[in-house]
This record gives sequence, structure tokens and C-alpha cells, in this order.
Amino acid sequence: DAGVIQSPRHEVTEMGQEVTLRCKPISGHDYLFWYRQTMMRGLELLIYFNNNVPIDDSGMPEDRFSAKMPNASFSTLKIQPSEPRDSAVYFCASHTDRGALIRYGYTFGSGTRLTVV
Amino acid sequence: SQKIEQNSEALNIQEGKTATLTCNYTNYSPAYLQWYRQDPGRGPVFLLLIRENEKEKRKERLKVTFDTTLKQSLFHITASQPADSATYLCAPADTSGSARQLTFGSGTQLTVLP
Repeated sequence: DAGVIQSPRHEVTEMGQEVTLRCKPISGHDYLFWYRQTMMRGLELLIYFNNNVPIDDSGMPEDRFSAKMPNASFSTLKIQPSEPRDSAVYFCASHTDRGALIRYGYTFGSGTRLTVV
Repeated sequence: SQKIEQNSEALNIQEGKTATLTCNYTNYSPAYLQWYRQDPGRGPVFLLLIRENEKEKRKERLKVTFDTTLKQSLFHITASQPADSATYLCAPADTSGSARQLTFGSGTQLTVLP
């Protein structure tokens, strides 16, 4: 398996533009998570899905952020409009079930480094 | 609110020595705790897990302790090597309700000097 695949690896955009980050979880993983990492705040959970359904989006900073999972193999995180304070590394992670989470932890993608200028 | 604190300063040690990283948590009682390694430009990678009823866990040169009274976990790397240089994250987790997600500490950056 190729692991969790995220694209793009790097994104530079101007303030006010729409940004879409993409994630392909590991096949068979029923849980998908979006995290944001900054020096100041560390890794923060934004939202997670179970079987393509959003379960907890309480970490989404504001209405400018939205996430979708149209099928088991694809998820997007969209920021519209983007702002400089959104600059961070965005990670996608997945796991199969609660037992697997305990035993094997998350599998993370390599992240998307977003810079909003 | 729940809080997780790791060594606030970066840790530099000499090759061959034992590195000890600290993870303290407050305002909750995790049933288990995971440790992850993160290299620059990469996502965190799971290393090992320790449960609340386990005092100590070992995996090759890694050793983790879990003290639920002190609300602390210690992560040791013995015979450290420059290749161990990375940021290490702890993630205490509870199993209450439908919790499926992890909360991470901010990490400790370890540098092993040759």
C-alpha cells in the first residue's frame, strides 16, 4: 500500500483565494482525520470522518473551512477565502477501527505545506 | 481543559547516551498513551503504545514508562544515534464514549550529536 497520499505537497496562494487540499486514505481505513500543525499550536484536529460521514468538526476554525469525503478513497479540505493566518502544514491521517487505533496508531500522510501571502 | 506538556526546550545529547523525553498531562485520565516520531517534512509515525495498567514498555532501544499517579510518561532512547534526531510527540488518549481521535503534545525536538 502506498500509504496516505496527500496533494499538493506545497501550496502558495494569495490571500482571498480558494485553496483545496486533497487526501487519499489507506484502502480499508474507515476513519479519516484532518490535522493542522503550526509552531505555536502544534497538531490540532480539525475534523474527522467515519465511513465518509463527518463525525466531529468542532476543530474547524471558522466557516471559511469546509471538508468533504464523497467516497471512501478521497477527501478534500477547502479554505475559502484563505488568509495569511491559515499558513500551516495540513495533515491527513487514517486508521481502520478503534482497536487498530490503539494498537497501531494513526497513519499520517506527508502533509501539505500551505503558505498564504 | 485537557492539557499535554512535553519538554519545552529542544534536547541535545551526545551519541551513545540515553535520551529521556517527558510528557505530562492534566485534567484527564488516559487509558493509554502513544508516542510518535516526526521527521522534518514528514507526518508523524507511530512508535509504540503503553496502557494505563502497564508500568513500562520496551521496543528495541526504546523504553516508555507510564505513571498515572504523576500523570506522566517518560520516553527513553538508549544508546542514542544521530539517526534518532527527530521530534517526538506523545498522545495520551481515553476510551470514553465514542472517542476515536488523538490529541497530541507539541513535541520535543531531539538532536543526537555525533
